Amino acid sequence: LAKTTQPISMDSYEGQEVNITCSHNNIATNDYITWYQQFPSQGPRFIIQGYKTKVTNEVASLFIPADRKSSTLSLPRVSLSDTAVYYCLVVDYNQGGKLIFGQGTELSVKP
Amino acid sequence: NAGVTQTPKFRILKIGQSMTLQCTQDMNHNYMYWYRQDPGMGLKLIYYSVGAGITDKGEVPNGYNVSRSTTEDFPLRLELAAPSQTSVYFCASSYGGTKNTGELFFGEGSRLTVL
Repeated sequence: LAKTTQPISMDSYEGQEVNITCSHNNIATNDYITWYQQFPSQGPRFIIQGYKTKVTNEVASLFIPADRKSSTLSLPRVSLSDTAVYYCLVVDYNQGGKLIFGQGTELSVKP
Repeated sequence: NAGVTQTPKFRILKIGQSMTLQCTQDMNHNYMYWYRQDPGMGLKLIYYSVGAGITDKGEVPNGYNVSRSTTEDFPLRLELAAPSQTSVYFCASSYGGTKNTGELFFGEGSRLTVL
């Protein structure tokens, strides 16, 4: 299983773009990169998933370079409600879906 | 559509007591998971299942047991509760296999305190 490394915490201000980078140096060919968001006292919520290049949805963008050894979650124009913990996961669905969460990045958005 | 339902939401146990955390999903998902989350920490995988009758250990299985007799249900059993098992427990499910979209659906969590 590919190990992931993220910053423990980040601070931002309302209206700014936030980029959270995750390192996964030993990512395998069949691995997908998935990001989750967790608010206090709630279970994590799926944000976005990608394999390579760029993926965008209504919430975020995910940038994955050609070597796939890292990925960057981009949150445009954050608000106070984006204050949460963000987790990066690397998943090989062919391996039975064993999903291991890392420590996550605690994002604090200030007014 | 209820999604993933966990019961109970809160429970206090004495050391050495046993209990079962219930988890049921109505989305016909193949994969189900149990995680625990200690205060200020990330989620740790306890057990997971890729289908009825199939279970496997995660990162921290000691002190827990699971069973998966139906697609819908994935109960987590604590046999001899210890203070180290004080945590919030989350059950999750996903499609898995060829239908896998990568999305885990989580329950609301069960907060367990062992005194």
